[in-house]
Amino acid sequence: DGGITQSPKYLFRKEGQNVTLSCEQNLNHDAMYWYRQDPGQGLRLIYYSQIVNDFQKGDIAEGYSVSREKKESFPLTVTSAQKNPTAFYLCASTQGLMKAEAFFGQGTRLTVV
Amino acid sequence: AQSVTQPDIHITVSEGASLELRCNYSYGATPYLFWYVQSPGQGLQLLLKYFSGDTLVQGIKGFEAEFKRSQSSFNLRKPSVHWSDAAEYFCAVGGGGADGLTFGKGTHLIIQP
Repeated sequence: DGGITQSPKYLFRKEGQNVTLSCEQNLNHDAMYWYRQDPGQGLRLIYYSQIVNDFQKGDIAEGYSVSREKKESFPLTVTSAQKNPTAFYLCASTQGLMKAEAFFGQGTRLTVV
Repeated sequence: AQSVTQPDIHITVSEGASLELRCNYSYGATPYLFWYVQSPGQGLQLLLKYFSGDTLVQGIKGFEAEFKRSQSSFNLRKPSVHWSDAAEYFCAVGGGGADGLTFGKGTHLIIQP
């Protein structure tokens, strides 16, 4: 079945470490997105990518980095510069621009220990 | 800048009763509007969407929503809720551009037996 796979489901990071969250889709979608979700805050856009080898900063990109070397993959790295990384991270994709239905992965919960 | 307001953080409804979740948006042009549902620790699932045409849209799981341009609203309704409807509900707006959707902060729905 087509869909978006995020891994791992749970991730623990020590202070000062970089960690990478995986997002893979087999929907042949062009656009991919990373959102951060905090309790009571809704979803906030971190980065998005419309095509391979191109990506744009969202509203809260500081302390994060991404790459888009393949159409189906859009990994997110949470760097040590992100001061408050504990959150639920959601990856999404759309066939084109966001007027089309967005498909979401199951999320990765990142906790700093 | 676009924005979405969901005035109710929590709503409690008895099983079998009707439901209305409120959503107000701010957008400078014709908006694309969405309602998503999220179960705990899961990704988001699209309930319904409005792009144009009939202002009353039908979605999955017996939900519907009505677009009212004059009130900048897109309220979600269901005639009779089931215990399985307990979840977090998000309203979102976009313009069809590449920068993703803007989400409200969500409404947590509790179903009383």
